[in-house]
Amino acid sequence: DIVMTQSPLSLSVTPGQPASFSCKSSQSLLHGSGQTFLYWYVQKPGQPPQLLIYEVYNRFSGVPDRFSGSGSGTDFTLKISRVEAEDVGVYYCMQSIQLPLTFGGGTKVEIK
Amino acid sequence: QVQLVESGGGLVKPGGSLRLSCAASGFTFSDYYMGWLRQAPGKGLEWVSYTISSGGAIYYSDSVKGRFTISRDNAKNSLYLQMDSLRAEDTAVYYCARMTTYKNTNYYHFDYWGQGTLVTVSS
Repeated sequence: DIVMTQSPLSLSVTPGQPASFSCKSSQSLLHGSGQTFLYWYVQKPGQPPQLLIYEVYNRFSGVPDRFSGSGSGTDFTLKISRVEAEDVGVYYCMQSIQLPLTFGGGTKVEIK
Repeated sequence: QVQLVESGGGLVKPGGSLRLSCAASGFTFSDYYMGWLRQAPGKGLEWVSYTISSGGAIYYSDSVKGRFTISRDNAKNSLYLQMDSLRAEDTAVYYCARMTTYKNTNYYHFDYWGQGTLVTVSS
């Protein structure tokens, strides 16, 4: 199984400041087609997860442009350029290049 | 808009069975792969199973293989999860989720999730 490792476990951020979190996979998520099957989700308090970013850097419909994804191979980053109060939640990365589909343990974002 | 509504959760004894349902609306259900995921209390996300749009191919995580059965009824826009031989470690919120692919590859991800239904396995 591909192990997804996220860091840090939690992050406390001042509104308006940037935030960045890491996701590392135990195997490359790069496919021979050139596509990389890494996704980011956020689970806000009391809600189901929602898709933020697909295939490393593509923002899902309605996702603000303060969210950006980057990375390649086994190392990926999600950045929030200016954190807002509504960004509180747990951020998960997921891979789909191989079954079983696996998620990282999550990074919890809190507002100072 | 896409709506996924799970039902059927509840309290069941170890070794018992439960059938979850997911009613879909707001999209052409028969065009999409569909999956189940779960989240144990205070824990992270775990993929459980998914089925292709026709129901002709099905995949399970090792933790539920042989005990859980996913199925779908495209005429009723519904997805199901039959859970047998339940264990305490199956206690979780179960989510139904739509799956999609970018650039029509064979690699799918979840784009919409339901609110979830809680399954508690306890004596």
